[in-house]
Amino acid sequence: GENVEQHPSTLSVQEGDSAVIKCTYSDSASNYFPWYKQELGKRPQLIIDIRSNVGEKKDQRIAVTLNKTAKHFSLHITETQPEDSAVYFCAASGYAAGGFKTIFGAGTRLFVKA
Amino acid sequence: NAGVTQTPKFQVLKTGQSMTLQCAQDMNHEYMSWYRQDPGMGLRLIHYSVGAGITDQGEVPNGYNVSRSTTEDFPLRLLSAAPSQTSVYFCASSYSRDWTYNEQFFGPGTRLTVL
Repeated sequence: GENVEQHPSTLSVQEGDSAVIKCTYSDSASNYFPWYKQELGKRPQLIIDIRSNVGEKKDQRIAVTLNKTAKHFSLHITETQPEDSAVYFCAASGYAAGGFKTIFGAGTRLFVKA
Repeated sequence: NAGVTQTPKFQVLKTGQSMTLQCAQDMNHEYMSWYRQDPGMGLRLIHYSVGAGITDQGEVPNGYNVSRSTTEDFPLRLLSAAPSQTSVYFCASSYSRDWTYNEQFFGPGTRLTVL
C-alpha cells in the first residue's frame, strides 16, 4: 500500500541553525504534499504545502522542495527559534485505485536549544 | 466560525463497550476524515468522506464505522472497544472540489482510553 517515510525521527539544533526534515513517498499518484506542525497537546496545523507541478516553495524562514522523479520532498527551516520546537509531519495526498487519501509520515520531533 | 469541533475531549471505556465520537465542521467542507495518533506512528487514516452519503476506508478501518448524512457531521463509531483502540483521535476537514487537495483543518482531538 501507500507509504510515507520520514527522517529523522528526532532532530536537535542550536538556535539560529537550520533544520532539514526529509520524506519519501511510494504512490506515484500523489500530487499534494503538506507539512503540519504539532505542538505538545495541540492539534496539527499546516505550515506549508506544495503541489506536484512546483519544485520549490518558500514562506519566510520555511521552504519545501519536491523531487517527483525520486519521490522525495523536504522541509527546510532556517534561523531556527525555540518556538519552532514541535513535532513536524509530512504527508502525501493523491487519488489512485486506493481512494482519495492522505498518508502521513511518522513525524520528526524538533528541539531547538536556546 | 467554530471550525472543526469534537466531543468528548476525554473518554474512558471498558473492553467491549461501544461509543460514538462526534465531529462537526461549519466551513461547508466536502472532505472529512478521521485519524488516530499513536506514539511514534504519526497520524493514521481510519475512514474518510468526500461528501454527504459517501464514505470510504483508510489505512486502519477495522473496528470502526462512519456515516455522513450531512455535510457538517461525521461521527466515528467504535463497535466493541478494545485496548488496542486506546489512542488520540483527530477529525479533520478540507475544501475539496474536482478531486483537488487542500489544507486539512483538525479538531482538538479526543483522548480515548480502553481498559
